[in-house]
Amino acid sequence: DVKVTQSSRYLVKRTGEKVFLECVQDMDHENMFWYRQDPGLGLRLIYFSYDVKMKEKGDIPEGYSVSREKKERFSLILESASTNQTSMYLCASRTGTRNYEQYFGPGTRLTVT
Amino acid sequence: AQSVTQLGSHVSVSEGALVLLRCNYSSSVPPYLFWYVQYPNQGLQLLLKYTSAATLVKGINGFEAEFKKSETSFHLTKPSAHMSDAAEYFCAVRNQAGTALIFGKGTTLSVSS
Repeated sequence: DVKVTQSSRYLVKRTGEKVFLECVQDMDHENMFWYRQDPGLGLRLIYFSYDVKMKEKGDIPEGYSVSREKKERFSLILESASTNQTSMYLCASRTGTRNYEQYFGPGTRLTVT
Repeated sequence: AQSVTQLGSHVSVSEGALVLLRCNYSSSVPPYLFWYVQYPNQGLQLLLKYTSAATLVKGINGFEAEFKKSETSFHLTKPSAHMSDAAEYFCAVRNQAGTALIFGKGTTLSVSS
């Protein structure tokens, strides 16, 4: 089974802090994704990566950056956390084929106070 | 442009009743369509997917969906609801570039005894 893990289930940070969310997948997938999920808005794509050191902006990249130094790991960085970044963050991965099916991690619920 | 509309943010049914969750899509390329389920405090799990083969797709937990090109719909059904089906359900379509999925806003299913 594909396994996608996220470093924290719950995280509380203060405004202005630098925040790192880590995601690891164990299936040698080429593509990895970061979404945020908010009530009534569904999932919105922040960034995705199709290869090591490669990244593309999604629909809402402002205030975020990403890092992919190894194929299995994709990090989301909040350079200076703000209260409007309080949300559920979901990581996903998939193969580089035309399968398109994504596998999701359990999510990190981030609260910025 | 690709988009997904889920009709009804909240659907309530009685245990044993038919479940019908509606999804309409817009796609400028042959669509690949997905239904995901999210149980409380968990990530998303794939229920089923349409990838241009059979128009009636069977998934896990007794769910199925029918692709109707003329109606641009991909509604999710289950003949008899169980209490364990209470969750949030997301419909998704691949984007035009084939790099990511576009998700609907989600439908919360409540099941009463």
